[in-house]
Amino acid sequence: DARVTQTPRHKVTEMGQEVTMRCQPILGHNTVFWYRQTMMQGLELLAYFRNRAPLDDSGMPKDRFSAEMPDATLATLKIQPSEPRDSAVYFCASGTDPTEAFFGQGTRLTVV
Amino acid sequence: GENVEQHPSTLSVQEGDSAVIKCTYSDSASNYFPWYKQELGKGPQLIIDIRSNVGEKKDQRIAVTLNKTAKHFSLHITETQPEDSAVYFCAPEDSNYQLIWGAGTKLIIKP
Repeated sequence: DARVTQTPRHKVTEMGQEVTMRCQPILGHNTVFWYRQTMMQGLELLAYFRNRAPLDDSGMPKDRFSAEMPDATLATLKIQPSEPRDSAVYFCASGTDPTEAFFGQGTRLTVV
Repeated sequence: GENVEQHPSTLSVQEGDSAVIKCTYSDSASNYFPWYKQELGKGPQLIIDIRSNVGEKKDQRIAVTLNKTAKHFSLHITETQPEDSAVYFCAPEDSNYQLIWGAGTKLIIKP
């Protein structure tokens, strides 16, 4: 059963600490998305990769957020330094084209 | 850019009744119209989609209808069951082939 795997599922950290979230896309998928979900803003696209190359990260605060794909089986989203307003659920999704998105279970981040 | 609105934001229906959620969009170049279902503690999952060359598509108890002229599409769920309780999102693509997400509709099925 192919699925997108995200780790960790939950993370509580102190303000100022670095946070790294990981995603294993579905094998064979060449498109990877990072989304953030909050009650106030809903689902926001943070970054989008095609064939491991970043195509759009306009939704990501550049000063503290970074997204990479070291290889085809791993995508990472890093926040340094973290702030309380970064508290949200972060989803990774993968697909074979920009309109196809299979979502992982998400990482619930709490910054205190 | 694409402007997407979903109505209603919350919908409560009696088990067995039908539910309809509407999504309006602004980009006339949109050609792909999916609906996603998000259950508590999970990521959104695609449940049905339609492309602009089709007016309606059905899959068992769910259906999607598209009115390109009026720029809206709707999700229809018949014979609702408790497991239909979830948040539903529309996400029409924009002219850059990106999904633009609605704010979501919380569907509550009353026993």
